[in-house]
This record gives sequence, C-alpha cells and structure tokens, in this order.
Amino acid sequence: DTGVSQNPRHKITKRGQNVTFRCDPISEHNRLYWYRQTLGQGPEFLTYFQNEAQLEKSRLLSDRFSAERPKGSFSTLEIQRTEQGDSAMYLCASSFMRGGNLVTEAFFGQGTRLTVV
Amino acid sequence: QKEVEQDPGPLSVPEGAIVSLNCTYSNSAFQYFMWYRQYSRKGPELLMYTYSSGNKEDGRFTAQVDKSSKYISLFIRDSQPSDSATYLCAMILNTNAGKSTFGDGTTLTVKP
Repeated sequence: DTGVSQNPRHKITKRGQNVTFRCDPISEHNRLYWYRQTLGQGPEFLTYFQNEAQLEKSRLLSDRFSAERPKGSFSTLEIQRTEQGDSAMYLCASSFMRGGNLVTEAFFGQGTRLTVV
Repeated sequence: QKEVEQDPGPLSVPEGAIVSLNCTYSNSAFQYFMWYRQYSRKGPELLMYTYSSGNKEDGRFTAQVDKSSKYISLFIRDSQPSDSATYLCAMILNTNAGKSTFGDGTTLTVKP
C-alpha cells in the first residue's frame, strides 16, 4: 500500500463549473476525512466518514459541496457551481478506528489543488 | 479568535541549532496533540502524536504538552536543511472525535 492517493493532483476550472475529486484511503482504514487548506492557513475540517456513513459535516461545507463514500472504500468530493473562493488545496486523510479508539493516526494524501478562474 | 494559535514565523536558524516551535489553544477539552510537517505543495506528514500532558521523544524530535497552560511545543535538535518546512500543530478532543483542529503553521528554514 502506497498511502492515501488523491486524484487529480491539480484542477483548473472556470467559475460556475462542477468539479469532482477522488480519494483512495489506505486499504484497511475505516475512517476518511476531507480538509481544505488555503495559502498560509492550516487545514480546515470539512467532513468525515466512518466506513460509508458520513458522521460529521462542517458548516464550511455549503450546499454546493457534497461528499460520498459509497462502499466504505474510496470517497469523492464534488463542488457544484464553483466560485473563486473555492480555490484551495483539498486534502484527504484516513485512519483506523477500533472500538472507539484510534489505532493509527491520520495519514494525509498529497492533496488536489483547485484553481477557479 | 482561533481555537489554536501558532506563530507563523518565518523562523530561520543555522544548521545544527535547536528549534522550538509552539502552539497555544483555548479549548481545555483537547486531549490529543499532534505535530505535522508539510513541505511546499505537499500533504501534511505526521511527526509526533502525544496524549495529555508530558513529553515524548522520537529521535531528534521532542514534543511537550502542558495542559495547565494550554501550551504545546515541538523541539528539533541538531536541525538539518531537510527540516526546512512548515510545521503544523493539531489537536483532537478524544480518539473518537472526527476532526483535528489545526494551527496555521510555522515556516522554518534551516540554513546550511
């Protein structure tokens, strides 16, 4: 296993277009997280999944954003009607939880850098 | 005011120096504290992970947590040019919590 994989690495889109990002977590990890990071800032939490269930969403995740993890493996993050303010690095992380206890710490992917023009 | 505050730097030190990086936080309920290293245009990489107050050492890195002061530190001994990166502190409430709350990072440059 080579770690958390995110695709694409870079995406340039025109304002108003829809974009979708994919995250493939470490294979045995049951938790998957999405964060957003802008220049000079730390990652900001967007949402996370335990297996296929989406357990928490940040208020940052407006109704233009939707995330899925249909089979508890890979996840997608879709942004509809993109705005220039959506330009950021979108980071995915995964971890393994057992019995409510974190067995392994969150491992991050390399991110998808979105530029909305 | 942010829950986690971190001096953005930039911090520049000569090779071999001891580096001290710090974060303060306002939520006393945080239980787990992490330090990540992030190279430019890359994802964060976990360096250290500590629970509650105390020290933890791993090679050239030492993490300290002082819950009474709501203050955490990362010390890097014998700093190397390869340590040049942005260092992010992060915290979670408990192991069942979903999200980490991050500081905005301190940019470190180690000059040869």
